Amino acid sequence: AQKVTQAQTEISVVEKEDVTLDCVYETRDTTYYLFWYKQPPSGELVFLIRRNSFDEQNEISGRYSWNFQKSTSSFNFTITASQVVDSAVYFCALSDPNTGNQFYFGTGTSLTVIP
Amino acid sequence: EPEVTQTPSHQVTQMGQEVILRCVPISNHLYFYWYRQILGQKVEFLVSFYNNEISEKSEIFDDQFSVERPDGSNFTLKIRSTKLEDSAMYFCASSEPPSPNYGYTFGSGTRLTVV
Repeated sequence: AQKVTQAQTEISVVEKEDVTLDCVYETRDTTYYLFWYKQPPSGELVFLIRRNSFDEQNEISGRYSWNFQKSTSSFNFTITASQVVDSAVYFCALSDPNTGNQFYFGTGTSLTVIP
Repeated sequence: EPEVTQTPSHQVTQMGQEVILRCVPISNHLYFYWYRQILGQKVEFLVSFYNNEISEKSEIFDDQFSVERPDGSNFTLKIRSTKLEDSAMYFCASSEPPSPNYGYTFGSGTRLTVV
């Protein structure tokens, strides 16, 4: 069965610190997609990144970077030099074409960046 | 960039009333979804819809729920007789067929409050 685990419920960091949000997933399928979303207090889901299971290249986008490791079934997200505007809930999700493309979300990590 | 549009953004309804949540998916997308997020919890899959029929549904999606694509552009979620526990944020999403860079887009959500 598909499952996404975000073990960190809440994290607080001081502005300008780096922070890594962990994501571990489970699936028996070889083709799947991994996502990260940001949910600010206003409630919408803001897309951050998509990765397919055949592309293990790490990605950097500004202060954001992602480390995808199939060997450990992890897809971790690092924010470098955090800012107050990064405060939000972050969700990791798995999409599986074999189950109607539905998303399996983790429980989210609430990040607070303290000025 | 194309968006998934949801209306209304907020809805308050009395327990036992029927409610219809509306969504306009991205025009060239073929797969449509509804998700639910109870306050403070993770986002949960409700149903996926493809080729004018339900392709997958979760245990949450019981007989009180139904979906429809009445006119080729709108995608609706109906709750027949709302309960207090139906209070949640409801997200609509649409996607292309899975591919390495396939688009999967969430709307900004409808916050439903049942009183």
